Amino acid sequence: AQSVTQLDSHVSVSEGTPVLLRCNYSSSYSPSLFWYVQHPNKGLQLLLKYTSAATLVKGINGFEAEFKKSETSFHLTKPSAHMSDAAEYFCVVSFDTGTASKLTFGTGTRLQVTL
Amino acid sequence: GAVVSQHPSRVICKSGTSVKIECRSLDFQATTMFWYRQFPKKSLMLMATSNEGSKATYEQGVEKDKFLINHASLTLSTLTVTSAHPEDSSFYICSAPGLAGELAKNIQYFGAGTRLSVL
Repeated sequence: AQSVTQLDSHVSVSEGTPVLLRCNYSSSYSPSLFWYVQHPNKGLQLLLKYTSAATLVKGINGFEAEFKKSETSFHLTKPSAHMSDAAEYFCVVSFDTGTASKLTFGTGTRLQVTL
Repeated sequence: GAVVSQHPSRVICKSGTSVKIECRSLDFQATTMFWYRQFPKKSLMLMATSNEGSKATYEQGVEKDKFLINHASLTLSTLTVTSAHPEDSSFYICSAPGLAGELAKNIQYFGAGTRLSVL
């Protein structure tokens, strides 16, 4: 069985300060891990993915995440927050069925960016 | 990247009526699509896997007679909420796996979602 835990339901940062969104996973397999972002009334957009290549993954909009097997973590970071980063962020683990991947979502972290 | 179109974006209906939601892959073929439900301030829960040319696979606890899924072609899957009730009000999202290729296989592209409100 696989699961994802996002430790913070809500994170608030000031514009220009670093962002840290925490995620821990549990998987019986070598996991594929993702971060998706959802802006209000919009679909989910892929930020970045880890699929057993480099442990430090760089994504779009300046985000990156580091896969730490010893800590079973995949935290999302950004050096400097922008107002446009305010959204809901989901950490996701993928289970490969053979033809397509079933995704298990974390409960989400709402990022608020203040002036 | 690949685009998944979901329609309608919002629907309001009376209790007891049926509502159909469409999910289309615009520039690629998808033999498999997924349907999710998202409750307010909650995560996405996988409802079912839609398979082109065969029956959908439902997750435990999802009523297959309530949520009818039809994968009519390689680019279209529909979710019909039958005899809708207020408790069916939710945000429904579809997705399709990425393009061919070992790495792309793990990526899914999501529709923008459909907000269903049942009065």
